[in-house]
Amino acid sequence: GAVVSQHPSWVICKSGTSVKIECRSLDFQATTMFWYRQFPKQSLMLMATSNEGSKATYEQGVEKDKFLINHASLTLSTLTVTSAHPEDSSFYICSASPDWGRHENTEAFFGQGTRLTVV
Amino acid sequence: AQSVTQLGSHVSVSEGALVLLRCNYSSSVPPYLFWYVQYPNQGLQLLLKYTTGATLVKGINGFEAEFKKSETSFHLTKPSAHMSDAAEYFCAVKVKAAGNKLTFGGGTRVLVKP
Repeated sequence: GAVVSQHPSWVICKSGTSVKIECRSLDFQATTMFWYRQFPKQSLMLMATSNEGSKATYEQGVEKDKFLINHASLTLSTLTVTSAHPEDSSFYICSASPDWGRHENTEAFFGQGTRLTVV
Repeated sequence: AQSVTQLGSHVSVSEGALVLLRCNYSSSVPPYLFWYVQYPNQGLQLLLKYTTGATLVKGINGFEAEFKKSETSFHLTKPSAHMSDAAEYFCAVKVKAAGNKLTFGGGTRVLVKP
């Protein structure tokens, strides 16, 4: 199956600093990528959807200036948490799709997630 | 808007016993339905999905699910649990009219007892 790789798997940063998380599709071109946030023992909450070459579409309540998403190429999307605070600590997961929404069998493939701890 | 409800945040089964995870959805239009599995500190892996056609869907690792429109359900089953089935399971729904976003249920954690 298709492989999506996230880096880093975990990161600890100081409060007030920024941290970047990368999401790469290794063996397909991802026209659409999604970023999710998962709190402990909770479900995934969609943060934003990005299409290659376009600005990301953020879900209601997600601060676009705090969570910067860039999808500059068909194999890479990045999520930058700016001026991180302890409440931003969470598990962030990306997913990518080569053809999301174009037909019924479209599928999104998930990265392994990044655990962010802000101290 | 669509929504997904997973009954039971935790399920404990004995090894070799039936695994049954319940999922009910709400959608005004025919949805696409998915089951994912998540192991600790990992992303999600697709177990199976229903789009159209046969309502009984077989997936990986011996899992299957049946789409029942009249009950708005998509319950996941496996006849015989294995220790490796211990994980978190998420039901999800996708509706084209709602921007094709995946909406996840709250998840069910499965514990397998030897």
